[in-house]
Parts: sequence; structure tokens; C-alpha cells
Amino acid sequence: DAGITQSPRHKVTETGTPVTLRCHQTENHRYMYWYRQDPGHGLRLIHYSYGVKDTDKGEVSDGYSVSRSKTEDFLLTLESATSSQTSVYFCAISEWDTTYEQYFGPGTRLTVT
Amino acid sequence: GQQVMQIPQYQHVQEGEDFTTYCNSSTTLSNIQWYKQRPGGHPVFLIQLVKSGEVKKQKRLTFQFGEAKKNSSLHITATQTTDVGTYFCAGSARQLTFGSGTQLTVLP
Repeated sequence: DAGITQSPRHKVTETGTPVTLRCHQTENHRYMYWYRQDPGHGLRLIHYSYGVKDTDKGEVSDGYSVSRSKTEDFLLTLESATSSQTSVYFCAISEWDTTYEQYFGPGTRLTVT
Repeated sequence: GQQVMQIPQYQHVQEGEDFTTYCNSSTTLSNIQWYKQRPGGHPVFLIQLVKSGEVKKQKRLTFQFGEAKKNSSLHITATQTTDVGTYFCAGSARQLTFGSGTQLTVLP
């Protein structure tokens, strides 16, 4: 498995609170991604990064922001969590551009009550 | 935007039976990738197909990319309990778009 860790692995939070999820890689890959996985929807891209401080939106970016201040770290922030953001969040990395194979972290299960 | 449809959503097979999942894109793809996710796990990259009409095999798994580069299939011969999981296709045009997956259950 690629060297990708996510923290926390599980989190329960209340509606309206801010939440930050962290993804850390040791592969020095340029591209990093945040996905959410919900039953029946597969994996949906939230945001991705193509370098330090370079990020772009995916198909379900509303309510989420990201930051990447170092090659190895990619943060996903829910400014004010809502119940619709209850999901499993996966970080992924790829060495080249967004069309190349991706390697996934173990995931974070987030529950918003 | 680009859409990738995958069928069936669920498949139950008896151990030893074959299994096929199909993937269709609304647009022509530059490549298609397949991933497997075990229950409680994360998606794991299996293979990438790039050429029109390409066929690749990995032991009991056969992957095909359509001539028009808009569809693909994954066929598993003689399923085993270790094949249990969800299989995702992911089509690549400007970005990688995942299908909704086929959840495979193998009954012993």
C-alpha cells in the first residue's frame, strides 16, 4: 500500500461545528484528492490539488474548503458541518495528472449529528 | 459533465460461477481504470486500459475496453470468496470519474 494516512479515522461531530480532516503522504506525489463515498454514489470528487497552494474544485465542492501548504499534507475543512456531510471521506494521491491511477488512504468515517 | 454508469449495482453469485460488471461513459475516454474495494476497506487500483479494443487479463479477471472507448467490462471466471467486494470503474477524460460500483457477494 502507498504511504497515505488519514486522521482522524472516525469522528462524530454536531451540526454547525467546524471539522478538519488531514491527509498525509510519504510518496512525494504531486496530485492529491479528497473524495466522499456514499451508498449508491460511488466516489465523488470534492477538491483536488496539483501542487503546493494549487487546488481546484471537484463535482461536490459546496460546503468544503481545502488547503495544501506542504507537498505531503492536504487538509479538508467543513466550515460548518451539516448532516448531509455524514459520509466516508477518502484521500487519494497520484504521481502524474488527474487521469492517472490513484492510490487511496484508509478513509475517515464522519458522522454529523 | 462526464458521467460513468455502472451495472449491475449488486450481484450475488455462487462460488465457482462467473461474474461480469459493465461500465458505460457518456463521453469518449482517454483511459479506463478499475478498482476493487473490500468491505470496510479502501479502493485499490487494479488495472488501466488505454487502447481501443484492449483486453487485459489478471489471473481469473479479464478487462475489456470498447472499440469506441466509451464502455468497458470486468469479467471474473470461477469466482472465489476472496473476490467479494465492490468493483468500480473510473473513466478518464479531463478528470477521473468513478462509476457507482458493483457490489459482489460470493456465496460459498
